[in-house]
Amino acid sequence: AQSVAQPEDQVNVAEGNPLTVKCTYSVSGNPYLFWYVQYPNRGLQFLLKYITGDNLVKGSYGFEAEFNKSQTSFHLKKPSALVSDSALYFCAVRDGGTYKYIFGTGTRLKVLA
Amino acid sequence: DAGVTQSPTHLIKTRGQQVTLRCSPISGHKSVSWYQQVLGQGPQFIFQYYEKEERGRGNFPDRFSARQFPNYSSELNVNALLLGDSALYLCASTSPGPAEQYFGPGTRLTVT
Repeated sequence: AQSVAQPEDQVNVAEGNPLTVKCTYSVSGNPYLFWYVQYPNRGLQFLLKYITGDNLVKGSYGFEAEFNKSQTSFHLKKPSALVSDSALYFCAVRDGGTYKYIFGTGTRLKVLA
Repeated sequence: DAGVTQSPTHLIKTRGQQVTLRCSPISGHKSVSWYQQVLGQGPQFIFQYYEKEERGRGNFPDRFSARQFPNYSSELNVNALLLGDSALYLCASTSPGPAEQYFGPGTRLTVT
């Protein structure tokens, strides 16, 4: 069965420091992987995706993610955090053989000034 | 281009009632998905429709149903509402290909 794990409920980082939000997944076929961000009282905004190709994926707002097949991970990263990056981040996976998307439980990122 | 739109924004219903939520996808997108997001949790997949056909279904009871219209807009219906149905209901349209979903702002349903 498909599953996504975000092991950290909250990540705190100082402004200007690099940030990492962790995600691991389990699918039976080839994974389609996504990161979304949610601001208070808003829908989810797409950040980036991995379908195939280069393991390092660049997305919106300076975010990037690294696909690691052996570790079944897709961690979200940013070299220098901004206070405005503070939000709820969701990792999602879609099994390439189905149309069902599975979301993680979310990680709250808090960037401290 | 307009993004995904959903109506209504907020809704208050009583246990046992029925509710219909509406979604219009981004122009050119033929696939619509519905999610339930309970406070403090990630979105849970309910349905995906493509070209008016159901293409995927999550683990939700038969009280939940949906349909897609020729213009690709969609409705989610929930019958016999329970308190536990209180949540943010998100609609997403999918760009062509095995690609990302774009979410609407959601409908906040409160069941009392």
